[in-house]
Amino acid sequence: GQQLNQSPQSMFIQEGEDVSMNCTSSSIFNTWLWYKQEPGEGPVLLIALYKAGELTSNGRLTAQFGITRKDSFLNISASIPSDVGIYFCAGPSSNTGKLIFGQGTTLQVKP
Amino acid sequence: EPEVTQTPSHQVTQMGQEVILRCVPISNHLYFYWYRQILGQKVEFLVSFYNNEISEKSEIFDDQFSVERPDGSNFTLKIRSTKLEDSAMYFCASSGAGGGGTGELFFGEGSRLTVL
Repeated sequence: GQQLNQSPQSMFIQEGEDVSMNCTSSSIFNTWLWYKQEPGEGPVLLIALYKAGELTSNGRLTAQFGITRKDSFLNISASIPSDVGIYFCAGPSSNTGKLIFGQGTTLQVKP
Repeated sequence: EPEVTQTPSHQVTQMGQEVILRCVPISNHLYFYWYRQILGQKVEFLVSFYNNEISEKSEIFDDQFSVERPDGSNFTLKIRSTKLEDSAMYFCASSGAGGGGTGELFFGEGSRLTVL
């Protein structure tokens, strides 16, 4: 079945540093999404990407949809303590709302 | 800002008992979902629901599971006879007119189910 693989599994960085995380798939996705989950909360959509090659920003976050439609990266610039959480990439495997999630990248930011 | 609300936030039950998890999706949304997340693992799709019927369900969503929209606002997940492996965080989600195809789902805060 379709799988999304995220790297790295976890990151521990200093406040102010930039962060980059990746997501790859063995199959093509037509939409790529990045969600963030904070402790005790549900996932919250950060960025949605719809076109291969698309580069989209949301504040300090930038994400790109790979040309092959099999990968994406998410960058966070000038990290702050509230960036702490688990970042999931996800893609719809059908048009019924079934999302395939990656296993997540856990980000910890040291003030 | 509109949000998806879920109750209870935490439920502890004995194996074999029935559990009902409740959700109030965002009011003008048309598509509703349940996902679950076993502790420390990724979020997994259970079921999608549109126009008062199931659109798609995963292999996890067996005969022990059912969903219902009993009125215009609530969306429920019932587990008939809970098993130890049903222990997880259950997330309700909804999406608007764009439907599930966009992947732009709004998730609730989750209901933690602990089966003893």
